[in-house]
Amino acid sequence: GNSVTQMEGPVTLSEEAFLTINCTYTATGYPSLFWYVQYPGEGLQLLLKATKADDKGSNKGFEATYRKETTSFHLEKGSVQVSDSAVYFCALSDGGAGGTSYGKLTFGQGTILTVHP
Amino acid sequence: DAMVIQNPRYQVTQFGKPVTLSCSQTLNHNVMYWYQQKSSQAPKLLFHYYDKDFNNEADTPDNFQSRRPNTSFCFLDIRSPGLGDAAMYLCATSRTGATNEKLFFGSGTQLSVL
Repeated sequence: GNSVTQMEGPVTLSEEAFLTINCTYTATGYPSLFWYVQYPGEGLQLLLKATKADDKGSNKGFEATYRKETTSFHLEKGSVQVSDSAVYFCALSDGGAGGTSYGKLTFGQGTILTVHP
Repeated sequence: DAMVIQNPRYQVTQFGKPVTLSCSQTLNHNVMYWYQQKSSQAPKLLFHYYDKDFNNEADTPDNFQSRRPNTSFCFLDIRSPGLGDAAMYLCATSRTGATNEKLFFGSGTQLSVL
């Protein structure tokens, strides 16, 4: 079956530090990959996505590249801000061998990021 | 403006007392999902509706049911809540359910079982 593994958290950084959150996956087909973010008291919202190998998703200074050879989708940001403090979820949607997933997401367990001034 | 709205934000129920959680959407999306998220764990899909078609995940307990009376509303019914059902319940929508589409999430309902 499908699965997503994220690096263990929580992660605590100082403002302007470099961020990497590792994410690896297993899937039966050709998945689309996502990073969702959950700010305190809010629902999950899409941060970025990539739908095929070697695609790079980017948004708000965050980037992630779909690496099929290493089955990874690591999230990076060159300079974090206090406002980036949130929980980050890596996820995949996999249609399987010619099928459809109806958009069902398989999530990683989430990584709590805290950024201090 | 909120596009996926979940009520209530916090729900407290008693062990064994049926409870219903609500979700509404203003997006006119075809697909609606219910996820269960326990503390420090990944959200877990319980079931989804593609239009009126109900799709249960294989490992979703029979204690959990759902209704979708129209496009805009979807309900999660827990017939006899146990202590292990205390969790955050997330409702989400997708326009067509295509693999590469993003999901829109509500803010969730935090369920406590006493």
